[in-house]
Amino acid sequence: DVKVTQSSRYLVKRTGEKVFLECVQDMDHENMFWYRQDPGLGLRLIYFSYDVKMKEKGDIPEGYSVSREKKERFSLILESASTNQTSMYLCASRTTGANYGYTFGSGTRLTVV
Amino acid sequence: AQSVTQPDIHITVSEGASLELRCNYSYGATPYLFWYVQSPGQGLQLLLKYFSGDTLVQGIKGFEAEFKRSQSSFNLRKPSVHWSDAAEYFCAVGSGNTGKLIFGQGTTLQVKP
Repeated sequence: DVKVTQSSRYLVKRTGEKVFLECVQDMDHENMFWYRQDPGLGLRLIYFSYDVKMKEKGDIPEGYSVSREKKERFSLILESASTNQTSMYLCASRTTGANYGYTFGSGTRLTVV
Repeated sequence: AQSVTQPDIHITVSEGASLELRCNYSYGATPYLFWYVQSPGQGLQLLLKYFSGDTLVQGIKGFEAEFKRSQSSFNLRKPSVHWSDAAEYFCAVGSGNTGKLIFGQGTTLQVKP
């Protein structure tokens, strides 16, 4: 089974800090994704990547950037964290072929104080 | 552009009653469609998916969904709801090319005894 691992389950950061959220998948997938989940808003796509060093903006990229230096790792960066970025962040990767689908990590609950 | 609408934010049904959760999507090509369920404090679990072929798709936990291209819908159904089905349900549409996966806002299901 594909594993998508997010490095932290809970994080508390201060306003203005630079924050890195890490995501690693173990199946050589090309496509990886970052979402944030907020009550009543569902999951909203922040950024996605379809190959190393390749990225595309999702629906809510403002205030975020990403890095994909290696195929297995996709990092979400909050350059200067703000309280409105307090949320649950979910990473996913895509399986293609016969078992097409998406595998999600367990999520990182980020609180910005 | 891809988009998904789940018209019902909150639904309450009695245990043993039938259930239908609505999902309407917008996508220019053949969509890849998914239903996920999320129990409180838990991760996303895939219920079922549709790519092509038979428009009635069977999933786990007794759920099924029907793809109707003419109505741009992919409604989720269950003939008899159990108390353990109480959760939040998300419909999602994916692009086969880019892999971009967009979610609806979610429907919260409450089950009355």
